[in-house]
Amino acid sequence: AQSVTQPDIHITVSEGASLELRCNYSYGATPYLFWYVQSPGQGLQLLLKYFSGDTLVQGIKGFEAEFKRSQSSFNLRKPSVHWSDAAEYFCAVAHDRGSTLGRLYFGRGTQLTVWP
Amino acid sequence: GAVVSQHPSWVICKSGTSVKIECRSLDFQATTMFWYRQFPKQSLMLMATSNEGSKATYEQGVEKDKFLINHASLTLSTLTVTSAHPEDSSFYICSARAQGYNEQFFGPGTRLTVL
Repeated sequence: AQSVTQPDIHITVSEGASLELRCNYSYGATPYLFWYVQSPGQGLQLLLKYFSGDTLVQGIKGFEAEFKRSQSSFNLRKPSVHWSDAAEYFCAVAHDRGSTLGRLYFGRGTQLTVWP
Repeated sequence: GAVVSQHPSWVICKSGTSVKIECRSLDFQATTMFWYRQFPKQSLMLMATSNEGSKATYEQGVEKDKFLINHASLTLSTLTVTSAHPEDSSFYICSARAQGYNEQFFGPGTRLTVL
């Protein structure tokens, strides 16, 4: 069964510091991987995605993520965090298997707090 | 492009009443729509998947007679919470996917409060 693990429930960083949010997945084939951000009371906004090709993907708002097959990981990074980055971040995996094409499995989320 | 809207954005209703939530894809044809439920401080839990013109496929543990889903057109899906109770209070989010794409576009969510 597919699963997504985000081991950090809550992370606090100072503004300007670097950030890495961890994500591990369990899936037999090559997955489609996503990172979403959610502000309070809002829907999800896609930060970046990996389908194939270059394992380092660039996203919006200065975020990037690296797919490491050997570690089954897709960690999200940002070199310098801004106060506006404070939000909930979700890692998700999707697969392509006929009728379940496009179904997303979400991690439990990581709450990011940014100190001024 | 790829905008998904939800209406209403929030709703308060009395216990025992029914509430309908709409999900619309504004600029693309959504062959598949997904309905999620999110409790505070928790992740999104898929409730059901609906394909246009077909019956929805519900996840295990989701009561299909309580959460009625209709996907009658390529741009509109509705979720009706029937005989709502306080435990149905939650944040409901829909997403939409176009045929051939493995990416979902999310709506802004609907906050349901049942008194």
